[in-house]
Amino acid sequence: GDSVTQMEGPVTLSEEAFLTINCTYTATGYPSLFWYVQYPGEGLQLLLKATKADDKGSNKGFEATYRKETTSFHLEKGSVQVSDSAVYFCALRPLRGSSNTGKLIFGQGTTLQVKP
Amino acid sequence: NAGVTQTPKFRILKIGQSMTLQCTQDMNHNYMYWYRQDPGMGLKLIYYSVGAGITDKGEVPNGYNVSRSTTEDFPLRLELAAPSQTSVYFCASTLGRDRGANTEAFFGQGTRLTVV
Repeated sequence: GDSVTQMEGPVTLSEEAFLTINCTYTATGYPSLFWYVQYPGEGLQLLLKATKADDKGSNKGFEATYRKETTSFHLEKGSVQVSDSAVYFCALRPLRGSSNTGKLIFGQGTTLQVKP
Repeated sequence: NAGVTQTPKFRILKIGQSMTLQCTQDMNHNYMYWYRQDPGMGLKLIYYSVGAGITDKGEVPNGYNVSRSTTEDFPLRLELAAPSQTSVYFCASTLGRDRGANTEAFFGQGTRLTVV
């Protein structure tokens, strides 16, 4: 079945360091791909998305490119801030023609801690 | 703009007790979901609904029940609480089928449930 695998955390970085969080997926067809962020004590918020191969999603300095050939959607940011400390989830939305129900399949989440 | 609202935020149950987790959204979304989040496991889909009167099982439905009598509300019922149901529960909603591929999912802030 469809699945998402993320790099294990926690990831600890100093402020202004470069961030990469790896995400790979297994799915049939062409799923949509998402990154969600969860700040402490809050629900998940959409960070960025991509719906077809080679699309690049971007938001708040974060980027991820939908790579069909490597089935990957790695999250990157050039210079992290303390305020980026959160849990990051990679997710896919399977597409099954007319039976798309919008449900998401999540990776296990990666905790990012940014130190001043 | 309330979005998705869940109550309660925290609850402690004794084994065998029952409770209902409430979820309501004010965005006129057709699709609603219940996920549970366990440490290091990401989010797993419990139940979902594609419209009032229509519900279906997700990955981990055992021990839970849902109903959808209105577009706005999607309560989750635990009949006989077990320690394995200790988790954080998230309700989410999306606009609906026609835009399912690209539609952002909006999440509530979560309910932290402990069964002792």
